[in-house]
Amino acid sequence: ELKVEQNPLFLSMQEGKNYTIYCNYSTTSDRLYWYRQDPGKSLESLFVLLSNGAVKQEGRLMASLDTKARLSTLHITAAVHDLSATYFCAVRYSGGGADGLTFGKGTHLIIQP
Amino acid sequence: SQTIHQWPATLVQPVGSPLSLECTVEGTSNPNLYWYRQAAGRGLQLLFYSVGIGQISSEVPQNLSASRPQDRQFILSSKKLLLSDSGFYLCAWSHLAGDPYNEQFFGPGTRLTVL
Repeated sequence: ELKVEQNPLFLSMQEGKNYTIYCNYSTTSDRLYWYRQDPGKSLESLFVLLSNGAVKQEGRLMASLDTKARLSTLHITAAVHDLSATYFCAVRYSGGGADGLTFGKGTHLIIQP
Repeated sequence: SQTIHQWPATLVQPVGSPLSLECTVEGTSNPNLYWYRQAAGRGLQLLFYSVGIGQISSEVPQNLSASRPQDRQFILSSKKLLLSDSGFYLCAWSHLAGDPYNEQFFGPGTRLTVL
């Protein structure tokens, strides 16, 4: 069974600081995704990472993937209040017939002015 | 461009009543379609996925069923709702083939409260 673990699950930080969210997964996968969810809203796709060593950046967010360690990170640089949201990583199981995603529990991020 | 619609946006239903949630996708053909549920304490869970009309795969045993009567329409149903069916139901789509990222795009969701 594929398991996806995120940490921390809750993070409160001040504007201007840097921080990293970690995502570990338990079995081989060929796709890793990061999504953002605002309160009461749906999921917005942030990044899709395919290969070992992949790094993608969008504004103050940067995601990376280490398939050997089965680890992805989402790094926040100089946080601003608008980045407050819940961030999910998700992994596509590549070993069986299922094509859906397995999600982590999410990291609830609050950025205070 | 592609868009995904879900309705209703919110729903309050009594225990034991039936359920029908609808999802439609515009601007693409032959998509993969998915139903997920986000419930307190249980995170985001894949319920069903479909690769074509009439083709449904269930990921977890439950009180729900899904159907795909048309290429871009996906329906989630129940004959008798349970309290544990409460949650935020999200429909998603992805390209069936030719997309190396196989990115899933989510609809706006339906918030279901069973009383």
